[in-house]
Parts: sequence; structure tokens; C-alpha cells
Amino acid sequence: DQQVKQNSPSLSVQEGRISILNCDYTNSMFDYFLWYKKYPAEGPTFLISISSIKDKNEDGRFTVFLNKSAKHLSLHIVPSQPGDSAVYFCAAVYGGGDKLTFGTGTRLAVRP
Amino acid sequence: ETGVTQSPTHLIKTRGQQVTLRCSSQSGHNTVSWYQQALGQGPQFIFQYYREEENGRGNFPPRFSGLQFPNYSSELNVNALELDDSALYLCASRKPGYQETQYFGPGTRLLVL
Repeated sequence: DQQVKQNSPSLSVQEGRISILNCDYTNSMFDYFLWYKKYPAEGPTFLISISSIKDKNEDGRFTVFLNKSAKHLSLHIVPSQPGDSAVYFCAAVYGGGDKLTFGTGTRLAVRP
Repeated sequence: ETGVTQSPTHLIKTRGQQVTLRCSSQSGHNTVSWYQQALGQGPQFIFQYYREEENGRGNFPPRFSGLQFPNYSSELNVNALELDDSALYLCASRKPGYQETQYFGPGTRLLVL
């Protein structure tokens, strides 16, 4: 039962363009959503998060959008840089807990 | 501030054996969680420890067990290893009051033959 889904296993974009990574969830109990970035041989690194009471959160080049009615969130990276090439995981929690439910990840490649 | 460290980095075991993985949390972090990441999958929550007590468990059998020590370091023990236990095992720690921001270690890659 995959409660958090990232349907695109990979994405390739040109440097300077926008990267859009998508995530869908099925459990309506989730009330907090996070994006993590993972480089090879490293653990996931927290990138940005959003509470279910908001529909947008921005941090520099990274913006996360949440559409609760569609149970969908997306991560926008503008402009994309080669150093952004990594695997991006969407994760969700509920009730202020620590149990992160992760998606399967999207591998982003930013071409110079 | 030191990061989260894990040891060993790689490990090869045979089916039926037992394994112990170790994690050293960041200074001041009193909660540690363990995750299993199988190939091509996202990390899956195994369990969490807070103040040396198990504080939540995912859908993993009892042969997965853990310990947390007073210095907030932690161990994950897996008994009776199965081939499907081959995965990257990640630990994550967080500060008190920072519910959502967990810091992950680099992981231990376990191969069961």
C-alpha cells in the first residue's frame, strides 16, 4: 500500500530552466509534507516542508505547492543548477509524529 | 555541530545470521529513528527510540530490534537474516521540539547472501 507516490522515476532539465517534481498521497491524515534530497553515498537531506494549512512555501530557489483537494504536492526548483542533480524524495507525516512515509523518489538530472 | 554517523558503511552476511548496525546521533538530539531503504524504493520506517524506549514501530517483524543509549547513540539488531533484508539502513535523529526536521546518517548497506 503505497501511501505516497512519485510516479516519475526520473527527470532531466536544462540548467537555468524550471524543475518540477510531483508527489501524490492517499492518506488524508497526513498533515505535514517534506522534500528530501539524496546524493549517492549520503543520507537524505531535508530541503523544504509545508504544513497542510498552507498551499505554498518558498525558500530561495525552492517552492513547494500543496493541493489538498487533489492530494498532490509539487516541488519547483528555479533556476535549476547542475548541483541540484540528485534523487528527491517526497515524505509525509501526521499528528506531529516522526514516522516519515516516503515516496519512491525521482532522480533529477540537470544538464549544463 | 557533528553530523549523524553510522557504522559500518558496508556489510555482507549470510542468511540466518544476526547483524548489529550502529548510529551516533548529533549532539543534543534525543530521538533516533531507523529506516530501511530497499533498492529502488523510498526509506521505510522501522522504529523510533526516545529516551531509551521504543516510541513507535513500523510494519517490521520482532526480529528487528533496537537499543538507544544514554549518550543518544543507537543500535539496530536484525536476527535470522533473510535475503530480503538486503537494503540500505538509515538512522535519523532530531532535536527536542523540532518535530519535522530529522537529520539522516549516510547509511549502512547490508547484503545478505
